[in-house]
Amino acid sequence: AQKVTQAQTEISVVEKEDVTLDCVYETRDTTYYLFWYKQPPSGELVFLIRRNSFDEQNEISGRYSWNFQKSTSSFNFTITASQVVDSAVYFCALRAQGGKLIFGQGTELSVKP
Amino acid sequence: GAGVSQSPRYKVAKRGQDVALRCDPISGHVSLFWYQQALGQGPEFLTYFQNEAQLDKSGLPSDRFFAERPEGSVSTLKIQRTQQEDSAVYLCASSPIGLSGSYNSPLHFGNGTRLTVT
Repeated sequence: AQKVTQAQTEISVVEKEDVTLDCVYETRDTTYYLFWYKQPPSGELVFLIRRNSFDEQNEISGRYSWNFQKSTSSFNFTITASQVVDSAVYFCALRAQGGKLIFGQGTELSVKP
Repeated sequence: GAGVSQSPRYKVAKRGQDVALRCDPISGHVSLFWYQQALGQGPEFLTYFQNEAQLDKSGLPSDRFFAERPEGSVSTLKIQRTQQEDSAVYLCASSPIGLSGSYNSPLHFGNGTRLTVT
């Protein structure tokens, strides 16, 4: 079975705080891809990053960084110096054999000024 | 270039009515997916097309749900005899690559159709 778990339902921070969104996944496949999407109030899912199962290098893109740890089946997402515009629902997703994207429940991030 | 376009943006249906939701994928995209997103939940897979072929419909919740993509571009999701539990946002996504290729290609999502069944 394939599953993605985002244990944090809601997170509220004050602007300029750092925040980490957790993601844990389950799959028996050896080749798979992990994604993070952002869903602002407009509803569209916006692609942020992908990582394949053979690449455990962490990645930084501006204020965003991702920590992929295969040993713990985790793919966590950190926003540094959060801003009000970061407020959205963030989804972690897994794509393995069969090609369908399996999403977690989402974490609603609220950044207050 | 244009992204994935879905229409209508909002749809209100009375219980028992049939509805049709349209998806215009990005031009040339081979793969097309439909997802259902209930309030406060993550999107749930419904069905997948590679060109005009429906390769996976394992997520369709009942035989009241039917999807087609007859010419391999525009797709329609039809729900017959709508029920209140069908109320959700229906998301369409497309990808330039089919399943025979690499599946690391991110899906490009539309804004969705919010269906409310009263």
